[in-house]
Amino acid sequence: GQNIDQPTEMTATEGAIVQINCTYQTSGFNGLFWYQQHAGEAPTFLSYNVLDGLEEKGRFSSFLSRSKGYSYLLLKELQMKDSASYLCFYNQGGKLIFGQGTELSVKP
Amino acid sequence: GAVVSQHPSRVICKSGTSVKIECRSLDFQATTMFWYRQFPKQSLMLMATSNEGSKATYEQGVEKDKFLINHASLTLSTLTVTSAHPEDSSFYICSARDLGRSNQPQHFGDGTRLSIL
Repeated sequence: GQNIDQPTEMTATEGAIVQINCTYQTSGFNGLFWYQQHAGEAPTFLSYNVLDGLEEKGRFSSFLSRSKGYSYLLLKELQMKDSASYLCFYNQGGKLIFGQGTELSVKP
Repeated sequence: GAVVSQHPSRVICKSGTSVKIECRSLDFQATTMFWYRQFPKQSLMLMATSNEGSKATYEQGVEKDKFLINHASLTLSTLTVTSAHPEDSSFYICSARDLGRSNQPQHFGDGTRLSIL
């Protein structure tokens, strides 16, 4: 079957580090996406992991373990503008399978 | 720059009006495009898969006569919300796959905020 889970809400402090986890179960896998979405706006691309390991892009890093069906998005040096919803999803035969999104609130 | 253009960005209209939303891939050909709707504080919900030159594939519970999809060319898909009612008010987003880009194969439009009065 197809299943993807991520926490619904997280809260963190400005300047801190936060890790958003995403677990999935799928019989076919073509890579995992992380997108950021601010309220009322379209999702914007953060990362796309196809192979195992950590990919770093500035303050954001994404990790994937295909054998464990596990990924995380790591946000460093949190800023207030990082308050948003973070979506993990994968492509299953052309159809995107979404997690429910993690609403991250960054507090001063 | 944007590789998927969605238009209009916002629509406010009276109940009973039909509304057409366009989704264009700007620098690649998209044989498949996807239409989503999103309610506040919820994730994207796939409505249908738009296939160039053939009928769209609708997800369970989505009325195909209510949400008409046309994918007449390799760069354009349209979603028409027919006889819209207040419960159709939502955020509609399209996405398209660019098989030529391995590092970011999925692109989203900017979304259309539909408000039915």
